[in-house]
Amino acid sequence: AQTVTQSQPEMSVQEAETVTLSCTYDTSESDYYLFWYKQPPSRQMILVIRQEAYKQQNATENRFSVNFQKAAKSFSLKISDSQLGDAAMYFCARQDNAGNMLTFGGGTRLMVKP
Amino acid sequence: DTAVSQTPKYLVTQMGNDKSIKCEQNLGHDTMYWYKQDSKKFLKIMFSYNNKELIINETVPNRFSPKSPDKAHLNLHINSLELGDSAVYFCASSPRWGQHEHEQYFGPGTRLTVT
Repeated sequence: AQTVTQSQPEMSVQEAETVTLSCTYDTSESDYYLFWYKQPPSRQMILVIRQEAYKQQNATENRFSVNFQKAAKSFSLKISDSQLGDAAMYFCARQDNAGNMLTFGGGTRLMVKP
Repeated sequence: DTAVSQTPKYLVTQMGNDKSIKCEQNLGHDTMYWYKQDSKKFLKIMFSYNNKELIINETVPNRFSPKSPDKAHLNLHINSLELGDSAVYFCASSPRWGQHEHEQYFGPGTRLTVT
C-alpha cells in the first residue's frame, strides 16, 4: 500500500512561536499533489496548503509554508507566529493522478499554549 | 451558503438497524466521495463517484451501498449496522475526475454511533 506517515501524534507550541509538523509518503507516481488539511474541534476539514510534486518551489500561504523534499518523499508544514486558533488536528494527504482519491496520514494533534 | 452539506450531523442507532446519510453539494462538481474517520481519527476513502457512476469502492462491506441520484447528491445507506460502523463519515466533492490538482471540499461530517 502506498502510505502517508505522520510520525508525531501530538505537538505543542507556545503562542507566537513556530512549529513544524512532519509528513513522509510513499508513491510510485511522478505526478501527484500533496495537501495539508486542518480539522478543528468542529470536525470540518479545512484546506491549509497544497503542493504540486512537479514544482520545486515550496508553497506558502500567509503563516503556513511547506518544506517539500521530493527525493526524500517528505512534506513538512511550518506554522509561524502560532495562534490559539491554530490548535487542531492536522492531516497530510496525497492525491495521485491515477486515482483522484486522497490518502491521508494518521494526523498530528497541535496544541497551542497561551 | 453551504458548499457540501450532510444530514444528519449526528446519528445514534442500535445494532442491526438500517440507516442513511445524505450528502449534497452546490458547487457544480462532477466527483463526490465518502470517507470514514475512525475513533483514532484515521481517514480512509470508501467510495468515489463521477457523474453518478461508481469509480472507487475501497473494499467496503456490501452492507454499505452508495447511491447517486444526480451528480449533486451522493447518499450512503448502511444495512444491518454493527458496532464497528461507529465513526464519523465525511462526504467530499471535487470539480473533475482526473484533475488531481483540485482540492476536495468536505462536508461537516456525520457522527454515527451504533449501540
